[in-house]
Amino acid sequence: QKEVEQNSGPLSVPEGAIASLNCTYSDRGSQSFFWYRQYSGKSPELIMFIYSNGDKEDGRFTAQLNKASQYVSLLIRDSQPSDSATYLCAGVKGAGRRALTFGSGTRLQVQP
Amino acid sequence: GAVVSQHPSWVICKSGTSVKIECRSLDFQATTMFWYRQFPKQSLMLMATSNEGSKATYEQGVEKDKFLINHASLTLSTLTVTSAHPEDSSFYICSAQAFFGQGTRLTVV
Repeated sequence: QKEVEQNSGPLSVPEGAIASLNCTYSDRGSQSFFWYRQYSGKSPELIMFIYSNGDKEDGRFTAQLNKASQYVSLLIRDSQPSDSATYLCAGVKGAGRRALTFGSGTRLQVQP
Repeated sequence: GAVVSQHPSWVICKSGTSVKIECRSLDFQATTMFWYRQFPKQSLMLMATSNEGSKATYEQGVEKDKFLINHASLTLSTLTVTSAHPEDSSFYICSAQAFFGQGTRLTVV
């Protein structure tokens, strides 16, 4: 079992809709979770991170964490064609000096 | 936000030569940096953890004599791919804290 799992997709949504991206993790020691967006041929770009149970909102993005279910999600409201990319979920134990463990990513396609 | 700068963004080299990639934290000090490799349509794979002032920690299966890491200051880590071969062609990305450099596309011909 992979430590961080994501559905590879592609997830296709129409422009203006809400895109829901999901991630599960196996290590209960993971404390913080990160969502990245990666365009083809580019390096990952940090969208947001979350470490407390519940929701965290930043603009059109909402991250959700449920530690009991070991589940993390990212909602993108008012999806735009420019949001089409691969979204990577990553978890880490503790902070600072530890590397992130990445899922394989979900490809999102926003249809104009 | 924090910025991590990686250089060069792409490089083509001949088989058997060595290539150095630099990773700099521009507005913060990073005692630890990470080096990843990403093959097409795959996720990021951690290669090694670069520790300022001490030896790097390599992941299983990564040859430390082939991928030399130096972290001589709090803002700079370098990865040198020695005696590069075509199978080393990949996208190499460094990170510090949660921020990534721009990545280096290495092509070995």
